[in-house]
Amino acid sequence: QKEVEQDPGPLSVPEGAIVSLNCTYSNSAFQYFMWYRQYSRKGPELLMYTYSSGNKEDGRFTAQVDKSSKYISLFIRDSQPSDSATYLCAMRKTDSWGKLQFGAGTQVVVTP
Amino acid sequence: NAGVMQNPRHLVRRRGQEARLRCSPMKGHSHVYWYRQLPEEGLKFMVYLQKENIIDESGMPKERFSAEFPKEGPSILRIQQVVRGDSAAYFCASSPQGQEEGLAVEQYFGPGTRLTVT
Repeated sequence: QKEVEQDPGPLSVPEGAIVSLNCTYSNSAFQYFMWYRQYSRKGPELLMYTYSSGNKEDGRFTAQVDKSSKYISLFIRDSQPSDSATYLCAMRKTDSWGKLQFGAGTQVVVTP
Repeated sequence: NAGVMQNPRHLVRRRGQEARLRCSPMKGHSHVYWYRQLPEEGLKFMVYLQKENIIDESGMPKERFSAEFPKEGPSILRIQQVVRGDSAAYFCASSPQGQEEGLAVEQYFGPGTRLTVT
């Protein structure tokens, strides 16, 4: 079993809808959580970074962390065709220095 | 404000040749990370380096792969005697400081080098 699980999709939504993405993890040592966006044949771009349980909002993006359930989410409001990309969750353990562990990524398609 | 730079962007090598991938971190960043992305898979951590030091190489294959981050110049990921299974996208990331408790230590990624072994 992978330590970080993420549904690969694809997830197709109409423009203006809310995109809901999530990841689960199995090791409670993960304490830092990130969401990256990756366009085709490009490098990952950091979207959100959270340390504690709860919500964090940045513009149209909201990240949620539920450590008790080992579950993290990313919501994208008012989705645009330019949001079509692969979204990667990543997390880090407190004692693993720079090692990020990534989910497989969810491909999102926003249709006009 | 240049981001993380990687070159070459595309590299084709024949089996048995050597591949050298270069990464220049963002200005002011002294920590570099290398990841590998195989087709249809997520990114896999390979190695974490600080200037002149390897901090964590737990993701590096035991043979043929090496990495360095000299005092001057870019970080280099070196793959000797490449095989077809080495074909992948290799991403470098950098951060301004180490992974200290409680600090926001985001990693910023470069555009990647796509290695094809024929």
